[in-house]
Amino acid sequence: RKEVEQDPGPFNVPEGATVAFNCTYSNSASQSFFWYRQDCRKEPKLLMSVYSSGNEDGRFTAQLNRASQYISLLIRDSKLSDSATYLCVVNMYALNFGKGTSLLVTP
Amino acid sequence: NAGVTQTPKFQVLKTGQSMTLQCAQDMNHNSMYWYRQDPGMGLRLIYYSASEGTTDKGEVPNGYNVSRLNKREFSLRLESAAPSQTSVYFCASSEEWAGRLSGANVLTFGAGSRLTVL
Repeated sequence: RKEVEQDPGPFNVPEGATVAFNCTYSNSASQSFFWYRQDCRKEPKLLMSVYSSGNEDGRFTAQLNRASQYISLLIRDSKLSDSATYLCVVNMYALNFGKGTSLLVTP
Repeated sequence: NAGVTQTPKFQVLKTGQSMTLQCAQDMNHNSMYWYRQDPGMGLRLIYYSASEGTTDKGEVPNGYNVSRLNKREFSLRLESAAPSQTSVYFCASSEEWAGRLSGANVLTFGAGSRLTVL
């Protein structure tokens, strides 16, 4: 079983839609969780950290479910500019990156 | 606000040639990393330097060497390039080693170096 798994997508959604991604991780001792965003042919950039209590940043909401060992990212009111690959990152004695979920928001 | 600067941005090598990728950060970060990213494989850690004066192997170190020249600079060397090393290479840095449990250390990445080995 891979340490961090994501559905690669692509998720094609219309502008204004709500979309959610999940990411599962294998090590129950993991302590830190993040979502990074990577635009085509660019470097990854931190989107948000994921806290135990869940956290929200504008249209983005991140949740952690330790019992089921997954984190989620919810994007509300999708914009064209949200089109990117979203990388799940889990700290398990090193930062382990998922392969990413591709999102395409269409007009 | 330079952040993490990598050079070169693009490079084409022939099999067996050597080259060094340079990386510098101006954020006074202690830890630096080299990743490679291949289609369908995601980001994989090659080497990292948790602090100045230390380096450690990551997931895919074979065929590479690194040097932490000082706190700012961390270079990656390919001694004898192979086609399997064709990839996009990212340097990153963080305040403290990102592998510390309970840490919440964010990685800042450079813009990447696209390497093709023929």
